[in-house]
Amino acid sequence: GNSVTQMQGQVTLSEEEFLFINCTYSTTGYPTLFWYVQYPGEGPQLLLKVTTANNKGSSRGFEATYDKGTTSFHLQKASVQESDSAVYYCVLGETNTGKLTFGDGTVLTVKP
Amino acid sequence: AQTIHQWPVAEIKAVGSPLSLGCTIKGKSSPNLYWYWQATGGTLQQLFYSITVGQVESVVQLNLSASRPKDDQFILSTEKLLLSHSGFYLCAWSLGTVPERLFFGHGTKLSVL
Repeated sequence: GNSVTQMQGQVTLSEEEFLFINCTYSTTGYPTLFWYVQYPGEGPQLLLKVTTANNKGSSRGFEATYDKGTTSFHLQKASVQESDSAVYYCVLGETNTGKLTFGDGTVLTVKP
Repeated sequence: AQTIHQWPVAEIKAVGSPLSLGCTIKGKSSPNLYWYWQATGGTLQQLFYSITVGQVESVVQLNLSASRPKDDQFILSTEKLLLSHSGFYLCAWSLGTVPERLFFGHGTKLSVL
């Protein structure tokens, strides 16, 4: 079956530091990959989506590149702000069924 | 604009008591609807999905049931709550069955004591 691995459960940074959240996945074929962000007390919301291998998605200063060779979809941001503090989920979407598999999430805390 | 509303915002219930959580989507005809569950500090787990009125598919068995009585309404319920039912319940909608963007509600926080 499909699986998504986010090794970092928690990341703590200071403002303007570089963010890197690791995500690897296991599946067959060419899935659609997403990053969702969840702020306290809210449901997750889409941050970015990539549908083609070796393509890059970007939104609000965040970037992720879908690499089929390494089966990775890491999330990066050059300079984080306190308002970026949230839980970030790497998500794999099955092409045939539409089922989404969420990673365990990474809690990002950005200190002022 | 589409809106998704979940009720109640929070519930505190006793073990063995019944539960009913609701979700309404406005501004979108025939959406696909989903129930997700998130244990405290855990990831999101899909529980049910529905493509049309009256049809609900179960993804994970947690002694819960779901129904879709109207095109814009999705209900999650159980007759007997367990301690393990505590967590955050999220309703979501999408337009299609291929991997699509999910739009989540704000969720219901359930505490079973």
